[in-house]
Amino acid sequence: EDKVVQSPLSLVVHEGDTVTLNCSYEVTNFRSLLWYKQEKKAPTFLFMLTSSGIEKKSGRLSSILDKKELFSILNITATQTGDSAVYLCAVDNYGQNFVFGPGTRLSVLP
Amino acid sequence: GAVVSQHPSWVICKSGTSVKIECRSLDFQATTMFWYRQFPKQSLMLMATSNEGSKATYEQGVEKDKFLINHASLTLSTLTVTSAHPEDSSFYICSAQQLQTEAFFGQGTRLTVV
Repeated sequence: EDKVVQSPLSLVVHEGDTVTLNCSYEVTNFRSLLWYKQEKKAPTFLFMLTSSGIEKKSGRLSSILDKKELFSILNITATQTGDSAVYLCAVDNYGQNFVFGPGTRLSVLP
Repeated sequence: GAVVSQHPSWVICKSGTSVKIECRSLDFQATTMFWYRQFPKQSLMLMATSNEGSKATYEQGVEKDKFLINHASLTLSTLTVTSAHPEDSSFYICSAQQLQTEAFFGQGTRLTVV
């Protein structure tokens, strides 16, 4: 059965801290791994990763994929209160569907 | 990023009536559209996958006669909740994908059945 596991499920940090969110997966036909940020409503796209070892960066956020060990991490440096959200990891099961993890609820305190 | 528009953003309906939710890709052709349901404080649950011009593929446990999905064009998919009941009240989100790219989400629709 295809599955995506995220850890931790929730995390509370203070502004300025650096956080690392984890995502591991088991799917039959991996095509890509995606990270989304979900605040009050629909998720917004952050990164799509298809190749191992290539870091993607966007401002204070970065992510990398390890296809051998079947996991990805999302790093957020110098966190701000606006980073508080649920971060979802999803795996594209070769166009059949997207398998979502349970999400990591990040709370950044001032 | 690409824009996916979902309408309506919220709807209240009476028990027993049907509700239609639209999902449109505004600036790209969505070969595949996905419909999700999200319960409070839970992750997205995939309901069905639809490819343009084909019948939708429903996930196990999702009643296809209750949740009718139509993907008649490359820019529009609809989800109709038939004979809605209070337990159908939820947040429904669609996402659209063009070939081997990332999926973009609509704004979501909060359905309340009274």
